[in-house]
Amino acid sequence: TQLLEQSPQFLSIQEGENLTVYCNSSSVFSSLQWYRQEPGEGPVLLVTVVTGGEVKKLKRLTFQFGDARKDSSLHITAAQTGDTGLYLCAPYSGGYQKVTFGTGTKLQVIP
Amino acid sequence: GAVVSQHPSRVICKSGTSVKIECRSLDFQATTMFWYRQFPKKSLMLMATSNEGSKATYEQGVEKDKFLINHASLTLSTLTVTSAHPEDSSFYICSARPREVWGYTFGSGTRLTVV
Repeated sequence: TQLLEQSPQFLSIQEGENLTVYCNSSSVFSSLQWYRQEPGEGPVLLVTVVTGGEVKKLKRLTFQFGDARKDSSLHITAAQTGDTGLYLCAPYSGGYQKVTFGTGTKLQVIP
Repeated sequence: GAVVSQHPSRVICKSGTSVKIECRSLDFQATTMFWYRQFPKKSLMLMATSNEGSKATYEQGVEKDKFLINHASLTLSTLTVTSAHPEDSSFYICSARPREVWGYTFGSGTRLTVV
């Protein structure tokens, strides 16, 4: 089992602040995905990073895949209350393989 | 877009009874679906892989006789929690991968409370 450790586990910040959350492993991944889960809902796919060193932007969210493809980070600029949720990373190798999620980062953005 | 529908969204049952949760792929076929369990403020824990027309594959530590999975059609998988007890109370979520999506689509989850 590929264990993905996410940090921090919990994060509470004021609206407008910036933040970064991390997803780390000792394993190399062909690609890695980030999901966001809002309370009482299922996770929603945000992005897939594939190439080592790749940076993808989704509005105020910036995702980076480590050069060695073992880790990833998510940076949120000027956080909004709508960013509140549980952020999950997961390795993805394509196909219909099972997905094992990281430990998760619970983000709370306070107005 | 592809939608996975899960029903019911909430259920309360008495200890000792069984509860069935349905997971449907609404506009795509899914030969494989996944069932997860989630405790408060925790990540999703994979329980089993549901395979259309064959037996489910359970993760280590998941009781197959407690959590019965049936995937009788290409659009429906069911999870039955048998002889439920309060410790089975949790948030259960299913997922499937639409062919055109490079990733998984999740249902909205089922909040099970056993009293």
